[in-house]
Amino acid sequence: GEEVAQTPKHLVRGEGQKAKLYCAPIKGHSYVFWYQQVLKNEFKFLISFQNENVFDETGMPKERFSAKCLPNSPCSLEIQATKLEDSAVYFCASSGGGEQYFGPGTRLTVT
Amino acid sequence: AQSVTQPDIHITVSEGASLELRCNYSYGATPYLFWYVQSPGQGLQLLLKYFSGDTLVQGIKGFEAEFKRSQSSFNLRKPSVHWSDAAEYFCAVALGGYQKVTFGIGTKLQVIP
Repeated sequence: GEEVAQTPKHLVRGEGQKAKLYCAPIKGHSYVFWYQQVLKNEFKFLISFQNENVFDETGMPKERFSAKCLPNSPCSLEIQATKLEDSAVYFCASSGGGEQYFGPGTRLTVT
Repeated sequence: AQSVTQPDIHITVSEGASLELRCNYSYGATPYLFWYVQSPGQGLQLLLKYFSGDTLVQGIKGFEAEFKRSQSSFNLRKPSVHWSDAAEYFCAVALGGYQKVTFGIGTKLQVIP
């Protein structure tokens, strides 16, 4: 597609539950990025993929967070055993020529 | 580590007035530079980018930005602001294409009639 698609738009989980977010990059883009926006303005880089391979995972929390980009499937970001501090908007971006195009985000609320 | 500074957290301008949003970066080399806009509850829209070449870049919605290497700055400008420009503006940098983007904390623009 012409836009980065993210689902769901909103996700509510109780503390300790699993959360799974999805991202469909722009067709033809081979790089996918995940960012976490907390406190409204602070963006934190989590992980990036080149096709199905992890490209940069320096921002990924070692525990509870995992991500995949499999062929012919949306990319996913999964949080095991969510904590209150995971409440944030999670943005996916894709890139094919240097600049990144962002999806609308998934708002995760952990209660 | 690279960093991006947006010194103005909140700016208020009158509709029709000119606008300049400041951005400074700290980097070992000239990075890729971006300005994004985020409306309430929305994602990030790319306004413009600088990779190399002409230091004055034109973007969408009538915005432009000027890269000044000597000042490590990439300020965003618009000659005449419209009420629909009210939003949060983020300056961002990356080491290169396909690298993670580092964002500033954003400048909230309020437009008054």
